[in-house]
Amino acid sequence: QKEVEQDPGPLSVPEGAIVSLNCTYSNSAFQYFMWYRQYSRKGPELLMYTYSSGNKEDGRFTAQVDKSSKYISLFIRDSQPSDSATYLCAFFSGGYNKLIFGAGTRLAVHP
Amino acid sequence: DGGITQSPKYLFRKEGQNVTLSCEQNLNHDAMYWYRQDPGQGLRLIYYSQIVNDFQKGDIAEGYSVSREKKESFPLTVTSAQKNPTAFYLCASMGQGYEQYFGPGTRLTVT
Repeated sequence: QKEVEQDPGPLSVPEGAIVSLNCTYSNSAFQYFMWYRQYSRKGPELLMYTYSSGNKEDGRFTAQVDKSSKYISLFIRDSQPSDSATYLCAFFSGGYNKLIFGAGTRLAVHP
Repeated sequence: DGGITQSPKYLFRKEGQNVTLSCEQNLNHDAMYWYRQDPGQGLRLIYYSQIVNDFQKGDIAEGYSVSREKKESFPLTVTSAQKNPTAFYLCASMGQGYEQYFGPGTRLTVT
């Protein structure tokens, strides 16, 4: 079993839709949870960061963590064509000293 | 203006030549990382360094070398021993909360 599972997509939605992106993980030692957005041919940028179970909201983005189910989600409300990118989940535990990344989900929002 | 810079943006080399990719940060971060990304693929860790004059191999270190003589700089050399060097290379540094910040990347093409 992989340490992190993330559906690669592609996920295609119409503008204005609510998007749900998900990752599951197997390592209960993961303490910090992140979402990155990567536009084509660019470096990933940190979108959301959380370290506890529950929801964290930032504008149109909500990050949700369920530690008991080992499941994290990123919700995008009122999606825009500019949200078209690859979204990567990432996890940190002190035992690794590095981030463990999901493979990324490619999202396309069409007008 | 804090951040991570990578140069050059595009690099072309002949097979059999070594090439060095530059990565500089002014975020005062101790830890720095090098990743490789192939088309449609996730991030694969090449090398990382948690402190000056120390570095560790990542998951795909063969054919690569690094140095960390200064806190701000973490150059990566792609040697002629690397079988498939053509890829997108990303450098990152790690902040206090274990989040990583990425540079814009260098696209290396070897023919």
